[in-house]
Amino acid sequence: QKEVEQNSGPLSVPEGAIASLNCTYSDRGSQSFFWYRQYSGKSPELIMSIYSNGDKEDGRFTAQLNKASQYVSLLIRDSQPSDSATYLCAVNANQAGTALIFGKGTTLSVSS
Amino acid sequence: DADVTQTPRNRITKTGKRIMLECSQTKGHDRMYWYRQDPGLGLQLIYYSFDVKDINKGEISDGYSVSRQAQAKFSLSLESAIPNQTALYFCATSDSSATGRYNEQFFGPGTRLTVL
Repeated sequence: QKEVEQNSGPLSVPEGAIASLNCTYSDRGSQSFFWYRQYSGKSPELIMSIYSNGDKEDGRFTAQLNKASQYVSLLIRDSQPSDSATYLCAVNANQAGTALIFGKGTTLSVSS
Repeated sequence: DADVTQTPRNRITKTGKRIMLECSQTKGHDRMYWYRQDPGLGLQLIYYSFDVKDINKGEISDGYSVSRQAQAKFSLSLESAIPNQTALYFCATSDSSATGRYNEQFFGPGTRLTVL
């Protein structure tokens, strides 16, 4: 059974701080890694994709991937109250397809 | 804007009724997926389709069926609804030809289904 694990939270950070969200996965053959943001009652929104080891930055977001440790993380710099949401980590086994396996999500709360 | 739409957005039905949820997309993507989301359980895959002639079961397909009427349309049916199918249902799409952006999935707004 392939698994994706996340701490459920809540993770609470003050406005302007760095929020660090973590995810581990069980399938060593996984090749595609994603972070989705989901506001309460809304659909998941893709915010980051990462495919190779190292860091990938997009605005205030940085995704970090370490395949040897089977670990992927998301850093949110200068956190804003509007970042308060549930963040879902998702993993795909190979380029050819099969659907994503999602973690249960980490709830982030940013206080002003 | 290219989009993924779902109808209905909310539905209340009774046990034993047949219900269909519909998904349409204007993104031109070839792959489509149905997920359900329950509080505390995360997103679970029901069915997925890589093209009109390719339908695959996901991890929780029992009690559900699907139809891929066209590349842009993918419907989910509950033949005889039961209360534990009460959940939030999402359709998603992806583009197999998206070089360098493999397997990115884009979600519709969701359908909130309540089975009484």
